[in-house]
Amino acid sequence: DTQMTQSPSSLSASVGDRVTITCRASQSINFYLSWYQQKPGRAPKLLIYAASNLQSGVPSRFSGSGSGTHFTLTINNLEPEDFATYYCQEGNSPPWTFGQGTKVEMK
Amino acid sequence: EVQLVETGGGLIQPGRSLRLSCAASGFSVNNNYMNWVRQAPGKGLEWISVFYSGGNTYYADSVKGRFTLSRDTSRNTVDLQMSSLRADDTAVYYCAKGAYGHGRSPLYAMDVWGQGTTVIVSS
Repeated sequence: DTQMTQSPSSLSASVGDRVTITCRASQSINFYLSWYQQKPGRAPKLLIYAASNLQSGVPSRFSGSGSGTHFTLTINNLEPEDFATYYCQEGNSPPWTFGQGTKVEMK
Repeated sequence: EVQLVETGGGLIQPGRSLRLSCAASGFSVNNNYMNWVRQAPGKGLEWISVFYSGGNTYYADSVKGRFTLSRDTSRNTVDLQMSSLRADDTAVYYCAKGAYGHGRSPLYAMDVWGQGTTVIVSS
């Protein structure tokens, strides 16, 4: 089974900042890496699929990159509504796994 | 509108069984891969199972042998039968539809989520 290591577990940032979150896979997962945003009490929302593709309706300040075992989610020009928890998820082969999550808090 | 609604959660004693249902609207569960994901209180997301359109099912090690997926075409639902429940199965359970790319190639991501149903395993 593939293990996903996500870092950092939390970070503090201000509106307008650039934020980068990293996920590392224990083995190659090709490009089958997705990123989700979750706000308290809400279901997760798909942001990025196939490592670097923006889901329809997601603002372009969100971007993803990487392949193989190293992936990043970048949020440019952080907006107030972006304070949330972010998860990566690998889908190379089941059982799929999520990263531990990164909570983006207001500085 | 594409929508998922989970039902069936509640308070259940350890060792007992519970069945969750995920009702889809706006698409057919028969033609999509459907997932269940759970989130224990204050914890992260845990993928637990997938029902592929071709009929194959896969489970996380934490639920394998205790949880079983089924699909009802007439009701357009995907159900999760949970048995031998334990305290650490306490969580919000989400149903999520698998995402497809161009040409219906599966992306192994989840693009539509239900609101979740809460399962509490306690005596």
